[in-house]
Amino acid sequence: DTEVTQTPKHLVMGMTNKKSLKCEQHMGHRAMYWYKQKAKKPPELMFVYSYEKLSINESVPSRFSPECPNSSLLNLHLHALQPEDSALYLCASSQVPGQAEQYFGPGTRLTVT
Amino acid sequence: AQSVTQLDSHVSVSEGTPVLLRCNYSSSYSPSLFWYVQHPNKGLQLLLKYTSAATLVKGINGFEAEFKKSETSFHLTKPSAHMSDAAEYFCVVSDPPRQGAQKLVFGQGTRLTINP
Repeated sequence: DTEVTQTPKHLVMGMTNKKSLKCEQHMGHRAMYWYKQKAKKPPELMFVYSYEKLSINESVPSRFSPECPNSSLLNLHLHALQPEDSALYLCASSQVPGQAEQYFGPGTRLTVT
Repeated sequence: AQSVTQLDSHVSVSEGTPVLLRCNYSSSYSPSLFWYVQHPNKGLQLLLKYTSAATLVKGINGFEAEFKKSETSFHLTKPSAHMSDAAEYFCVVSDPPRQGAQKLVFGQGTRLTINP
């Protein structure tokens, strides 16, 4: 299994809602990443988890809360988002934290109304 | 700090003709370099990678790239374009490991259009 899966594919939420994005990989990778991608732009790194511990937070607002319950699963909890947070949210994984090669999921298209 | 410049924001070629997507990089150490492709409304797929082995790297779907240290370039080529190659292409360089993790630095992307 060489796949990173993400659910849901699409999500529409209001500014007062609480929702979560889910990412899963069964490749035995020990580093997982969240990226945000706006239209016609490259992905921007948000968070890095290394061996299930948060190792990098790229100064992301606290309305985004990551969680890594186990080595295969990565969540992104969303609360009180703003319309400008609408974007494609991509999850990725790499075999070990020091390895540059990353495998990306298909993304969740988030719209905040 | 590492950086990547993709020299063309948009490239348009006819089906069956060669493709050239240009990328220059800046790195203070021996970098790993990648090309990723993103089809509309999809995630990123790794096309190929350079990690200090052979300078000519072959990837999936007939793509290849040549690492030229003297020119700090890593251009992506394909001999004959196919309609399914239409997508956004990102040239990527790896940052040195930080806090046990390695960050990717993305270029701004090149949109490849294939004309019938």
